[in-house]
Amino acid sequence: DVKVTQSSRYLVKRTGEKVFLECVQDMDHENMFWYRQDPGLGLRLIYFSYDVKMKEKGDIPEGYSVSREKKERFSLILESASTNQTSMYLCASSSRDRHYNEQFFGPGTRLTVL
Amino acid sequence: GNSVTQMEGPVTLSEEAFLTINCTYTATGYPSLFWYVQYPGEGLQLLLKATKADDKGSNKGFEATYRKETTSFHLEKGSVQVSDSAVYFCALFNNAGNMLTFGGGTRLMVKP
Repeated sequence: DVKVTQSSRYLVKRTGEKVFLECVQDMDHENMFWYRQDPGLGLRLIYFSYDVKMKEKGDIPEGYSVSREKKERFSLILESASTNQTSMYLCASSSRDRHYNEQFFGPGTRLTVL
Repeated sequence: GNSVTQMEGPVTLSEEAFLTINCTYTATGYPSLFWYVQYPGEGLQLLLKATKADDKGSNKGFEATYRKETTSFHLEKGSVQVSDSAVYFCALFNNAGNMLTFGGGTRLMVKP
């Protein structure tokens, strides 16, 4: 089974702090994604990556950056956290060789910025 | 652009009731359509999918038919269980856009 893990289930940070959210997948997937989930808005794509060191902006990249130094790891970075970044963050991965569109999700990190 | 619209929840049903969660979409070309489910405290899991018009996706008693003429992909189950309580997301993948577009999610609560 595909396993996507995220470094924390719950995180509390203060405004202005630098925040790192880590995601690791164990199925050798080429594609990885970061979403945020907010009530009534569904999932919105922040960034995605097709390969190591590659990144593409999603729908709402402002205030975020990402890093993909290894194939299995995709990090989301909040350079200076703000209260409007309080949300649930979901990581996902998919294989380029299979149906590209079938994504496997991690359990999520609920981030609160005070 | 692409968009997905789902009925707003919460949807509250008694056990063994019939379930319908409506989903309509706007997309160019021929998207693939999905239903994902999120159980409390967990990430999203793929529930079912359909890749072309008139395809029916099914899993765990849930079904959805890709209706191109009405641009819909409604989720149905004949007899829900308490364990089906979760948030359900409709989504589409359009090769032109190269990413998934999600609806807002519908919370289902099933009472014994």
